[in-house]
Amino acid sequence: QVQLQESGPGLVRPSETLSLTCSVSGDSVSSSDYYWTWIRQPPGKGLECIGYIYYSGITNYHPSLKSRVTISLDTSKNQFSLNLRSVTAADTAVYYCARVLLQYQIDYWGQGTLVSVSS
Amino acid sequence: QSALTQPASVSGSPGQSITISCTGTSRDIGAYTYVSWYQHHPGKVPKLIIYEVSNRPSGVSNRFSGSKSGNTASLTISGLQADDEADYYCTSYVSSSIVIFGGGTKLTVL
Repeated sequence: QVQLQESGPGLVRPSETLSLTCSVSGDSVSSSDYYWTWIRQPPGKGLECIGYIYYSGITNYHPSLKSRVTISLDTSKNQFSLNLRSVTAADTAVYYCARVLLQYQIDYWGQGTLVSVSS
Repeated sequence: QSALTQPASVSGSPGQSITISCTGTSRDIGAYTYVSWYQHHPGKVPKLIIYEVSNRPSGVSNRFSGSKSGNTASLTISGLQADDEADYYCTSYVSSSIVIFGGGTKLTVL
């Protein structure tokens, strides 16, 4: 069974960097059969795809976040990570990591982690 | 890319059918068959219920069906049940970019 688990600070100060890691079990982030993605949901709002990474290291990011975001793979730990720089209160959200099939459907999700941006 | 357009809310009585629309553009829904639908009960993890416009994953009830016409995709839920009450999101692939979500539709079972 594939499982994903987000980890990282639940509170980040404005202007700092939000860093989260997704640990994957039951599958390999080195597989060419999937993309790995970060998705967020601000309080009371809808879901937003932040971006995704392929096993080769190729990434694609949401245009509105592209200047501030980096998604990376750590194949030795079977993890992938999100760095979002210069955060503001608008970045407060539940952050999910997930697995994406090559037809762009998301079949496995982490449980989600709430990250608040506040001083 | 702008989010796909969904109605904010829909409602129906048990046993009835409802349809949720998802409107995009010729660059996303109109260009690809990579349209998916997710059911999201608050506090839980979203669940894939339709992929590639009209395909159901194993284990998903055949009460859920999907279709597409032009730049608009639709999700139909037949035989409404109380447990269907949830938020529903559509997604579409956008060329050389990412998956974009609809704004979400809250389904109320009356």
